[in-house]
Amino acid sequence: DAKTTQPPSMDCAEGRAANLPCNHSTISGNEYVYWYRQIHSQGPQYIIHGLKNNETNEMASLIITEDRKSSTLILPHATLRDTAVYYCIVSPRSNDYKLSFGAGTTVTVRA
Amino acid sequence: ETGVTQSPTHLIKTRGQQVTLRCSSQSGHNTVSWYQQALGQGPQFIFQYYREEENGRGNFPPRFSGLQFPNYSSELNVNALELDDSALYLCAFRRRAEESPLHFGNGTRLTVT
Repeated sequence: DAKTTQPPSMDCAEGRAANLPCNHSTISGNEYVYWYRQIHSQGPQYIIHGLKNNETNEMASLIITEDRKSSTLILPHATLRDTAVYYCIVSPRSNDYKLSFGAGTTVTVRA
Repeated sequence: ETGVTQSPTHLIKTRGQQVTLRCSSQSGHNTVSWYQQALGQGPQFIFQYYREEENGRGNFPPRFSGLQFPNYSSELNVNALELDDSALYLCAFRRRAEESPLHFGNGTRLTVT
């Protein structure tokens, strides 16, 4: 599976949009981009995934560049409860039960 | 709330002992995956069970084994515990086959002394 690169940490202000970048320059054509987050003392929580089109759900938006080498997760109105480690993962759908979690980005939302 | 329940939540064992961790899902499904998360690291895939058979394994030795039951609950067994086995152990289910992402439980924190 392709590897991803994320900044180790970032801060954002409560109520503002949080834009989390992810580089996946070696992504293959059949690999999806998945985002999970892990709030302290909990298991990972699925956020969103996409192949090449931008995706939006009730939690976030996923913007994938046209060459698919990078993506951005957008939390439109960050709250204190969004403080968590965010993981960007690329995987074929056929292997998405064995996700390769990296170190992720620790996002701290400040009041 | 993911509907995935793991027990126990915390456990302390001594090096060389054996441990069994349990996982169940409210909705139930025929695929369950187990992950190990060491402190400060991302989860690492251990194995997956599909219809009571192991059908995928990460880089873990055979002393890590599992079971899946007809009601889709699952166990993770670890023999001959080592200090490095201290970690958070997570299980994950799908809601529907191949149509939904993984939904994780909150894990079992295992400490080996």
